[in-house]
Amino acid sequence: GAVVSQHPSWVICKSGTSVKIECRSLDFQATTMFWYRQFPKQSLMLMATSNEGSKATYEQGVEKDKFLINHASLTLSTLTVTSAHPEDSSFYICGCGTGGTEAFFGQGTRLTVV
Amino acid sequence: AQSVSQHNHHVILSEAASLELGCNYSYGGTVNLFWYVQYPGQHLQLLLKYFSGDPLVKGIKGFEAEFIKSKFSFNLRKPSVQWSDTAEYFCAVVSSGSARQLTFGSGTQLTVLP
Repeated sequence: GAVVSQHPSWVICKSGTSVKIECRSLDFQATTMFWYRQFPKQSLMLMATSNEGSKATYEQGVEKDKFLINHASLTLSTLTVTSAHPEDSSFYICGCGTGGTEAFFGQGTRLTVV
Repeated sequence: AQSVSQHNHHVILSEAASLELGCNYSYGGTVNLFWYVQYPGQHLQLLLKYFSGDPLVKGIKGFEAEFIKSKFSFNLRKPSVQWSDTAEYFCAVVSSGSARQLTFGSGTQLTVLP
């Protein structure tokens, strides 16, 4: 149980285009979803948290217009990187939580912007 | 705001050595504490968690952690490491309040030499 699927696993896009990353909880309902990015050899940096029924809460320094998060349902959240630039290249990971308990993570998405 | 500190950035041990990774958090309220592991090329996995009760928590693969409230610590231990324990280890905390933000420490890279 507690499987989270993140798609795609890796994506290469041209600078200026937008990329959508999907995160699905396959066998449970995620009341809270987290989006993180991880730079090489660094920790996970929380980008935003979205709770059921409310808009995403972004961390300081994260541009909400650039990183669009849609918590469409209790099993699906999407992160759209708009007008991507090379500095957006990173590893993005989603986490799904069930009411304040531990989160279960997707396998991550490696984004490379060229 | 809550924060998590992991003081050991890189630990190198020989097989059968004992392991202790430090984790300290700062938050005045009630927290839930976690240790996650990320093996090379894989997604984050939960090792163990503390919510309440016995402060000595046992997790998978022989790992355990002790919650010491007075020290705001949640150190991870294993009596005898194996080469397969080579991975990155992250301590994380989530407040039991409405924010429900899961905050990670900077991670500790463990290398076990055969």
